[in-house]
Amino acid sequence: NAGVMQNPRHLVRRRGQEARLRCSPMKGHSHVYWYRQLPEEGLKFMVYLQKENIIDESGMPKERFSAEFPKEGPSILRIQQVVRGDSAAYFCASSPLGVSYNEQFFGPGTRLTVL
Amino acid sequence: KNEVEQSPQNLTAQEGEFITINCSYSVGISALHWLQQHPGGGIVSLFMLSSGKKKHGRLIATINIQEKHSSLHITASHPRDSAVYICAVLIQGAQKLVFGQGTRLTINP
Repeated sequence: NAGVMQNPRHLVRRRGQEARLRCSPMKGHSHVYWYRQLPEEGLKFMVYLQKENIIDESGMPKERFSAEFPKEGPSILRIQQVVRGDSAAYFCASSPLGVSYNEQFFGPGTRLTVL
Repeated sequence: KNEVEQSPQNLTAQEGEFITINCSYSVGISALHWLQQHPGGGIVSLFMLSSGKKKHGRLIATINIQEKHSSLHITASHPRDSAVYICAVLIQGAQKLVFGQGTRLTINP
């Protein structure tokens, strides 16, 4: 049973470009969480999704950021018109049920660098 | 003030020492997680606790709900235990984790 997969592992973008980060949860997991870790800072919750539904996006910046988890395929975190302050490690985690009931399994992260 | 505070922020010890990392929180929680982040950046979930104590190998995690405090202990520490240890709480009524700043542990041979 493969773990949580994230790709790409490293992503370099120039200011103003778009960044697309992908997360494939563990097999059988229908809950996905995205977290951001800014340089020298702790992890911060961004968004919680179930298949085709956004459950909690209270940690998402109001502009330029969006997330989806379609019925088929990976979850996508999309950052439009990236700025240098978006440079961070973005982690995805999944669980079979909601976080109240289960541990979360983390992916290896995508390290985004904005030039 | 952060909702989740860890201490110490940095800890250096010699191989074989008994290690304790503390986590205090100021909100009502449903569960508490201990995570390990390796130098390469990957994150591993060590424990999820809502009461009492759990043990896995040389790792022990305890939680005191009344005192809003949890500890992570490592017995017979080894250089491969060197990592950042992160405490995270699930706030009651919410569906998201709130993280501490992490404790950077270095075990010297």
